[in-house]
Amino acid sequence: EIVMDQSPLSLPVTPGEPASISCRSSQSLLESNGHNYLDWYLQKPGQSPQLLINLASNRAFGVPDRFSGSGSGTNFTLKISSVEAEDVGVYYCMQGQQTPHSFGQGTKLEIK
Amino acid sequence: QITLKESGPTQVKPTQTLTLTCTFSGFSLSTSAVGVGWIRQPPGKALEWLALVYWDDDKRYSPSLKNRLTITKDTSKNQVVLTMTNMDPVDTGTYYCAHRRLCSGGSCYSDWGQGTLVTVSS
Repeated sequence: EIVMDQSPLSLPVTPGEPASISCRSSQSLLESNGHNYLDWYLQKPGQSPQLLINLASNRAFGVPDRFSGSGSGTNFTLKISSVEAEDVGVYYCMQGQQTPHSFGQGTKLEIK
Repeated sequence: QITLKESGPTQVKPTQTLTLTCTFSGFSLSTSAVGVGWIRQPPGKALEWLALVYWDDDKRYSPSLKNRLTITKDTSKNQVVLTMTNMDPVDTGTYYCAHRRLCSGGSCYSDWGQGTLVTVSS
């Protein structure tokens, strides 16, 4: 089973400032086809999770371009270029390379 | 428009069996590469993946819960059912079903139900 580890677990950010979340996997998520099977999900307060990014760097439809994903192998990063109030919630990375799919512990982003 | 909705009991007693139904619309579970998964979330805690059924009836389970879980699909009814036996208070949480489909060369859980809170208590 692949274990996912996120940091930080809590992220207070001033609006307009950038934010960055790290995700590490216990095994490489890079396949021979060149794809990294790493997704990012955001769970806003009181809501279900929603897809932000898949294959480490592809934004889902409708996701603002202030969100970007990067990384390969076992190290991945989600960046928000300029945090807005609507970005508050818990961010999860998830590996989809193999079942059981597995999530990180979550990073709670809050506005200072 | 794709929708998913979980249904089932809000409370079960320890040792009982939980049966949850995911009823969906806007996609078909007979379409290649499509699946429906179950993910749960204890109160205030992280997401935990439970099980997944694919269009071809390939079924995958969390190894730690495999002996307790069964996932089935009814394509004609657009439903996926998850049963979990021998429920315990630690199984208390919100249970989500989610639509898995092809996304940009990979797969993703693109659509989620609203979740259903299940409490295990005597």
